[in-house]
This record gives sequence, C-alpha cells and structure tokens, in this order.
Amino acid sequence: DAKTTQPTSMDCAEGRAANLPCNHSTISGNEYVYWYRQIHSQGPQYIIHGLKNNETNEMASLIITEDRKSSTLILPHATLRDTAVYYCIVRFRGSGANSKLTFGKGITLSVRP
Amino acid sequence: DAGITQSPRYKITETGRQVTLMCHQTWSHSYMFWYRQDLGHGLRLIYYSAAADITDKGEVPDGYVVSRSKTENFPLTLESATRSQTSVYFCASMELNQETQYFGPGTRLLVL
Repeated sequence: DAKTTQPTSMDCAEGRAANLPCNHSTISGNEYVYWYRQIHSQGPQYIIHGLKNNETNEMASLIITEDRKSSTLILPHATLRDTAVYYCIVRFRGSGANSKLTFGKGITLSVRP
Repeated sequence: DAGITQSPRYKITETGRQVTLMCHQTWSHSYMFWYRQDLGHGLRLIYYSAAADITDKGEVPDGYVVSRSKTENFPLTLESATRSQTSVYFCASMELNQETQYFGPGTRLLVL
C-alpha cells in the first residue's frame, strides 16, 4: 500500500530552488517523513527527515504542514548534480520491522542548465 | 576503505545456477538490508537483519536465502536463479536507533 504520493517528475533551472511535494494523508502521529534520493545508477542517499517541525541541514530543508498530511523538500540552489529520483518515505522510528524503508516510485527531478 | 561495499558489481549467470551476492560494511552497524530494484517497481526489500544470526523476511523473499554469521557481512544467495531475478541489488546498513540507511553501490545481476 502506497503511504505517500508524489508527482512523477518535475524540472527546475540550475541555481533556482527546487520544491518537491509529497502527500502522506494517512500518516500516523508517530510516523516520520524521510527523504532519500537516488542519482542514476547509484545507491539511494539519505537527505533529511522530520516529524512535525521544519528541518534544515546542509543538503535541504523539509517543510511539513501543520496537519502533517503533506510535506515539501526544498533544495535551495539546485545544481546539475541534484538531478535524481527523490523518494518521500513515511515510517516509524525504531527497531525491528520499523527499521524498514518502503520505497515508492519517487519523483524524478531534472535540473536544466 | 570505510563504508559499505558490494561484490561482484556485475554478474551474468544462467537459470538454475546458485549465485551469492556479497555485502560488507565497516561501521559495525547492527542492521543490514537487501533490496532489489526493477523498472516499474522501485526498491523492494528482500531480507533484513537486526544483528548477527537474526534475519527476517521483507516484501519479496521468495527464491533468496540470507545469513549473517558476522556483523559486517550479509550475503544474499539465489539458490536457483530465475530470469525474474534479473535486477539491481542494493545492500544497506543502519545503526540501531539511527535514522540513516547507508546504501552500497549495487550489484547488477543478469540471469539468462
């Protein structure tokens, strides 16, 4: 069962902010939102995660709506190297079965020169 | 080198052959995972392991066997390869109560 829905693809201009949306309307109170990306032919790479507050790290910002039913990953100054498939994943923190990641099809971001 | 490695990176085999894909991590992470990635399906979990000698099935375990005798190694064996197992296989590791899974570079397997 898909827990998240993302557009299939989007593009943005190099140097501009890329805003990648994700819907997770059935998220439960203890589930976190995670973002990973996969650059062509490589293994997925962790970007950021959050519960309900906005989060920022050196790679990106994560904005989660107040009702937690959707979120947006923001790459503030996209570069050509940010072209990748971005996966929005919802999961509980913790051990055992909660350690698993369930990947959907993600959104393909194309950064154009 | 520190990190997570997979071998071989590329493998061609024939239907019915046994194939073992290796995964090695240098961090002593508790958790290790095997995923497969096919066009139209994204990444799907095959097996995972919470510690040495503890393994559990994921979403698509049929046709695969895993073992974890040492913390740093998590081999995946296809006992009798089938064409439907042609895929890209990714191994990942994660420390208990950490948030990040670290992925290896993948093994591209072709079953003829």
